[in-house]
Amino acid sequence: AQSVTQPDIHITVSEGASLELRCNYSYGATPYLFWYVQSPGQGLQLLLKYFSGDTLVQGIKGFEAEFKRSQSSFNLRKPSVHWSDAAEYFCAVDQAGTALIFGKGTTLSVSS
Amino acid sequence: DVKVTQSSRYLVKRTGEKVFLECVQDMDHENMFWYRQDPGLGLRLIYFSYDVKMKEKGDIPEGYSVSREKKERFSLILESASTNQTSMYLCASSFHSLNQPQHFGDGTRLSIL
Repeated sequence: AQSVTQPDIHITVSEGASLELRCNYSYGATPYLFWYVQSPGQGLQLLLKYFSGDTLVQGIKGFEAEFKRSQSSFNLRKPSVHWSDAAEYFCAVDQAGTALIFGKGTTLSVSS
Repeated sequence: DVKVTQSSRYLVKRTGEKVFLECVQDMDHENMFWYRQDPGLGLRLIYFSYDVKMKEKGDIPEGYSVSREKKERFSLILESASTNQTSMYLCASSFHSLNQPQHFGDGTRLSIL
């Protein structure tokens, strides 16, 4: 069965430092992968998506993610974190054009 | 921009009540979804719909039903609310083809007393 694992439940990063959030997936076919962000009390906002082609994907708010098929990973990165990036981040894989399977999320805290 | 609107941000109901959560999207999306979100469990799919009057069970459909009479509207129904249905409920919509992202509403935080 398809699954998504986000190994880190909570991460704290200093403002201005770099960030990497980990995501591993289990999926038999070519995966369609997404990263979403959820600010407190809000719905989910799409950060970026990977369908095919270039394995380094650029998203909104300065985020990027790299697809590594050999490692079944789709890690999210940002070179310099801002206090406004504090939120919960979800990785998801598409089940053949229907529902998404989500990881359990990683909460990012930003310290000053 | 895609707009997915959930009728209530906060809702408080009593055990045994029949509860309706409404969701409307304005982008002519074929697919619509209902998830519940609980701390430490992420998002879990309750039901989804490909088209009007079509519905498919997700991972946790027990205690819920859905209705899709019009393309833009997808309703989640708690037939007899119980305290373990206290949660955040998120609605989403997307086009029915590969590679299409889902667009989410702001959520309804439902408390069952």
